[in-house]
Parts: sequence; structure tokens; C-alpha cells
Amino acid sequence: AQKVTQAQTEISVVEKEDVTLDCVYETRDTTYYLFWYKQPPSGELVFLIRRNSFDEQNEISGRYSWNFQKSTSSFNFTITASQVVDSAVYFCALSELRQLTFGSGTQLTVLP
Amino acid sequence: GAGVSQSPSNKVTEKGKDVELRCDPISGHTALYWYRQSLGQGLEFLIYFQGNSAPDKSGLPSDRFSAERTGGSVSTLTIQRTQQEDSAVYLCASTLLRDTQYFGPGTRLTVL
Repeated sequence: AQKVTQAQTEISVVEKEDVTLDCVYETRDTTYYLFWYKQPPSGELVFLIRRNSFDEQNEISGRYSWNFQKSTSSFNFTITASQVVDSAVYFCALSELRQLTFGSGTQLTVLP
Repeated sequence: GAGVSQSPSNKVTEKGKDVELRCDPISGHTALYWYRQSLGQGLEFLIYFQGNSAPDKSGLPSDRFSAERTGGSVSTLTIQRTQQEDSAVYLCASTLLRDTQYFGPGTRLTVL
């Protein structure tokens, strides 16, 4: 069975600090997708990124970057120079055949 | 807009009553999912529809929960004889096959 672990329940940083959100996954499949979603206080889940299991290249999008390492089954998410608007719950998710399995989420609070 | 829409946004009901929650997926998306998010929790998969195939109901918590998808588009999640533990945000998502799931704003259900 697939499983996603986000060990960090809550993280609090001061604005402009860098922060990394950890995600570790378990799967027996060789073909799968990994996702990060953001859930701001408004509640709507916002898609951030999707990676497939054959693409281990790191990705950078503005202040966001993702580090995918199959050897450690990790897909970590780093926010550089955090801002107050980054405060949200961030979910990592794994997709095999069709279901998305979500981690329990990390509540990020960025203090001014 | 062209996103996933859900109605109602909020629903307050009395214990024992039936409720219906509606989801309008993104036009052209073949797959539709329902999830439940209880307070402070991650997302729990409920049911999955893909085209004309039989739905995957493996996540439904009890036989009080059912869902249908008419004409391969709109879906209705029905909860019969609601209980207080059914209180949660019910999220709908749609996707093309194994592509990224896009989420609606959710329906917040409160059972008194």
C-alpha cells in the first residue's frame, strides 16, 4: 500500500527565512506521480507541482524549489525568502494507478 | 470560471437528516473524485469515477454514503441519516486520466 509521511506537523519561521518541508513516501509501484498542494486559510487546495517517478531533476519556480530523490523516497519542498502569504497547510501526495494518497500536511506559519 | 465548482459552500443539518452535495467538474475531465477533510486532518479518499467504468467506492466509510455521476459530468454525494462525525469539508476534484487533480472549494458540512 502507498503511504505519504510529512513528519513536520507545524513549522514557524520569520519572514525572509528559507524553509524546507519534508515528504517521504512509500510505494511498490515503479511508475507514480508526486504532488504538492497548498491549502491557504480560505480552504481551497491549490496545485503547486507534479513530478513523475522517472524524472528526478530538481525544479525551481520562483521562490519555490523541489528536491526529488528516489534513493531516499523523498520529495522535499523549499520556500526561499518566505513571505507572510506563504502561510498555509502544505500537502504532499502520491498517485499510483488513480488514487491520490495525501500526507497529513504541514502547517507553515510565516511571521512578519 | 472554468474550475471545479461545488455547492452548497456550507451546509448545516440536523442529525438523522439526509444531505446531498454537488460537484461540477472541469469540462472535459473524465475522472472525478470525492474526498473528506475532517478538522485539522488530511484528506481521506471517498470515491472515484472514471468515464463509464464502475466507480471505485473503496473509501466510503459506511453504507450511509453513496455517490453518482450523471452523464459523465456532474456528481452528487449523498449522506443518509447524518451523524455528527460526518461533519467535515467534502472536496471534489477532477482530472484527465492520471493527470493532475484540480480541486473545488469544498462544501463545509456541519451536523448538529
